[in-house]
Amino acid sequence: NAGVTQTPKFRVLKTGQSMTLLCAQDMNHEYMYWYRQDPGMGLRLIHYSVGEGTTAKGEVPDGYNVSRLKKQNFLLGLESAAPSQTSVYFCASSYTNRGPTPEAFFGQGTRLTVV
Amino acid sequence: AQTVTQSQPEMSVQEAETVTLSCTYDTSENNYYLFWYKQPPSRQMILVIRQEAYKQQNATENRFSVNFQKAAKSFSLKISDSQLGDTAMYFCAFMLRSNDYKLSFGAGTTVTVRA
Repeated sequence: NAGVTQTPKFRVLKTGQSMTLLCAQDMNHEYMYWYRQDPGMGLRLIHYSVGEGTTAKGEVPDGYNVSRLKKQNFLLGLESAAPSQTSVYFCASSYTNRGPTPEAFFGQGTRLTVV
Repeated sequence: AQTVTQSQPEMSVQEAETVTLSCTYDTSENNYYLFWYKQPPSRQMILVIRQEAYKQQNATENRFSVNFQKAAKSFSLKISDSQLGDTAMYFCAFMLRSNDYKLSFGAGTTVTVRA
């Protein structure tokens, strides 16, 4: 059982380049999230999805786009990378109907550097 | 928006001793969940312990326990019998079932266990 898998684990981009981060989960979770982690700021929510075909903005959505065409996949896109997007990106998924307490499961993170 | 505050950027503790990490949060809701996550150098986000706001009893997981003070909106983590493997960044997080299960994180506390 792989859980939540992020691709790639590391990436270096030049300013203005584009890229897509892929998140895949095999737990049949409805909810998926993209967070970014910056020093001294914890994790902040970029975008999220409450089900296949849905997306919503989080706390820091500017410069990012997302898509959830399949329930198990959640893609995060950077159309024109900027140095301010240098960060560690985490994908998470969550179930909603099982158990008394919801729990988020995280991928292993992607370290992105924009030069 | 919910805010989570961790006022201790760094903590150091001798092996086998006890350390307590503080966390406060702000919400007007009554039904919520609180979590402590551990992030070792591997970058993986590991759930340490969780607390449902409707439960008065403090959660305990082996050497980890919390002191949940709902009226004071405080959620501290105690690590007993500290081990070298406890060295990590620890994040306090808040979740609302009514807010799409999104997590709000504190800035984190770096814990170093000294041999």
